[in-house]
Amino acid sequence: AQSVTQLDSHVSVSEGTPVLLRCNYSSSYSPSLFWYVQHPNKGLQLLLKYTSAATLVKGINGFEAEFKKSETSFHLTKPSAHMSDAAEYFCVVSGGAAGNKLTFGGGTRVLVKP
Amino acid sequence: DGGITQSPKYLFRKEGQNVTLSCEQNLNHDAMYWYRQDPGQGLRLIYYSQIVNDFQKGDIAEGYSVSREKKESFPLTVTSAQKNPTAFYLCASSTSSGGSSYEQYFGPGTRLTVT
Repeated sequence: AQSVTQLDSHVSVSEGTPVLLRCNYSSSYSPSLFWYVQHPNKGLQLLLKYTSAATLVKGINGFEAEFKKSETSFHLTKPSAHMSDAAEYFCVVSGGAAGNKLTFGGGTRVLVKP
Repeated sequence: DGGITQSPKYLFRKEGQNVTLSCEQNLNHDAMYWYRQDPGQGLRLIYYSQIVNDFQKGDIAEGYSVSREKKESFPLTVTSAQKNPTAFYLCASSTSSGGSSYEQYFGPGTRLTVT
């Protein structure tokens, strides 16, 4: 079975400062990993994905994530937060016996202060 | 404009009534999914379909039913047997049913409130 743990349920940052959202996963296979963003009462939008190519993955809106197999982590970062980054972020894993079924983390809600 | 549409955005029903949520995609995707999202939680898979006329139960299928008569459409019925139906329901689709690297594309969601 695979699982995802997002280590922070809430993160608060000031506009213009770095953002770090932490994610650890558990999988018996080489997983595919995703970060999605959800604005209030909206669907989910894909930020980036890792699928066994480069371990540093660049996504949309200046986000990037680094896959670290030894640490089973896939943390999401952005060097400078913008007010529009206020949203909920989900770390997601798929692969192995689960095939293309996604397993979601519990989410991290990001607050951006002016 | 390609994408996934869900209707209605908000839905209100009385307890004991069945209700059907619509999901349509024009992305020509083979696979479609239904998720449920409760406040402060991640998404949980209700049902998924990898091909027309076939579907499988997800992790929380009890009290729900689906059909997949057309590639573009995957309606979800919330039956009166579902004990806690009030939630945000999200539909998704993906290019292929056979690979784990294919991301899923999500619709805007339907918020169902049952009183």
